[in-house]
Amino acid sequence: GAVVSQHPSRVICKSGTSVKIECRSLDFQATTMFWYRQFPKQSLMLMATSNEGSKATYEQGVEKDKFLINHASLTLSTLTVTSAHPEDSSFYICSAGGLDEQYFGPGTRLTVT
Amino acid sequence: RKEVEQDPGPFNVPEGATVAFNCTYSNSASQSFFWYRQDCRKEPKLLMSVYSSGNEDGRFTAQLNRASQYISLLIRDSKLSDSATYLCVVPRSGGSARQLTFGSGTQLTVLP
Repeated sequence: GAVVSQHPSRVICKSGTSVKIECRSLDFQATTMFWYRQFPKQSLMLMATSNEGSKATYEQGVEKDKFLINHASLTLSTLTVTSAHPEDSSFYICSAGGLDEQYFGPGTRLTVT
Repeated sequence: RKEVEQDPGPFNVPEGATVAFNCTYSNSASQSFFWYRQDCRKEPKLLMSVYSSGNEDGRFTAQLNRASQYISLLIRDSKLSDSATYLCVVPRSGGSARQLTFGSGTQLTVLP
C-alpha cells in the first residue's frame, strides 16, 4: 500500500525555538496532505489542509502564523511550529491519499521544554 | 451533538470473546465511514471502510444504520493482538471528503 513518511519521529526542543516536520508521500503524488494533532488521551484533530502550490487552509482556532505549512512539491509538505511553547507538545501526524483511504505518516512526537 | 461520538470504554475482554463498539455521527449527508485502529503511540491504520449497510472482513463486521446515524464494529473471537484503540471516523461535514473527523476512540484490551 501507499506509504507516507515523517521526519523526525521525535524531537525535543526548548521553548521559543522553531521546529520543522516533514511529511513525504513515498510512492504516490499528493496534491493535498493533511496535518493532524493528537494530545495525550485525546483523538486526532485536523489542524490544516496543505495544498501543493497554494496556501494551506487552517481549521478554526489554529494559528496560521504559528504553524507554517509549505507544500512545494507533489511529494513533500512541511509543518513548522514557530516559537514553540510547552503547550505545543503533542503528536503531529500527516496524511495523504484518496477518498477510499487516507495513509497516515508514523507521526512526530514533539516535546517543548 | 458531536460530529462523531463513540462508546467511552475501556473494554477489557477475555480472549475469544465477542465485543462490539458503537459510534454515532451527526452529518446525515455522510456517504462513507471508517473504522481505524491505533496502537499506543503509533499512527492510525485503516481497519474497515463502510459505504452501504455494512462490511465484513474475517472476524470484523461493521454495520451502518443511516436512519439512526449509527455505526457499529463487531469483533468476534478476540485475539490478544486486537488490543488497541478503535477510532470511528467520518468525513468532515462541510469539508473535503478526505478531511476526516475522528471519534475519541474506544480502548480495547484483550486479556489472556
